[in-house]
Amino acid sequence: KQEVTQIPAALSVPEGENLVLNCSFTDSAIYNLQWFRQDPGKGLTSLLLIQSSQREQTSGRLNASLDKSSGRSTLYIAASQPGDSATYLCAVRPHFGNEKLTFGTGTRLTIIP
Amino acid sequence: GAVVSQHPSWVICKSGTSVKIECRSLDFQATTMFWYRQFPKQSLMLMATSNEGSKATYEQGVEKDKFLINHASLTLSTLTVTSAHPEDSSFYICSAPRTSGGATLYNEQFFGPGTRLTVL
Repeated sequence: KQEVTQIPAALSVPEGENLVLNCSFTDSAIYNLQWFRQDPGKGLTSLLLIQSSQREQTSGRLNASLDKSSGRSTLYIAASQPGDSATYLCAVRPHFGNEKLTFGTGTRLTIIP
Repeated sequence: GAVVSQHPSWVICKSGTSVKIECRSLDFQATTMFWYRQFPKQSLMLMATSNEGSKATYEQGVEKDKFLINHASLTLSTLTVTSAHPEDSSFYICSAPRTSGGATLYNEQFFGPGTRLTVL
């Protein structure tokens, strides 16, 4: 059974700093991995999706990497801003045709102005 | 991007009553929709897969008679929490992958804003 873990559970950093969020999964046989952002009491916003054949994806100040063999992904946020404060979730999809996402435990990020 | 809406955004009900939550794909068709629940400070747990025109498939441990799912059209799925109890209080989120040419594009799912259910 796939298990997805995110460390740390919570993180506070001063504004302007670069930071890295970690996601690890126990079964490396994944189709893709997706990073989401969730604001308090809200739904999910997709940030980046990495296919199993890719090593990284970039969008603006965000960069996500994937090391499938070691079961790890990181989300790098450059020049953090207070608006980046949210909970970040990673989720893996097992294989093509299987739509069931397994979500990580989440990292609650607070950017201190 | 594709938009998924949920209604209501929050609901408070008495124990023993039933509550219906709607999930709509506003600008695309979705033959499949997913229902998740999220307890405070916890991650999303998949409850069931809603299939248009057929029965929903439920994850292990989810009572299908308690969480009734109806996927009446290509843009609407409903989750009814029957005889709700305080332990059913949670945040319920739906998601939908886009359908194109009869095929479901599972590459990316679009999530609704969630429904906060509080059972007194």
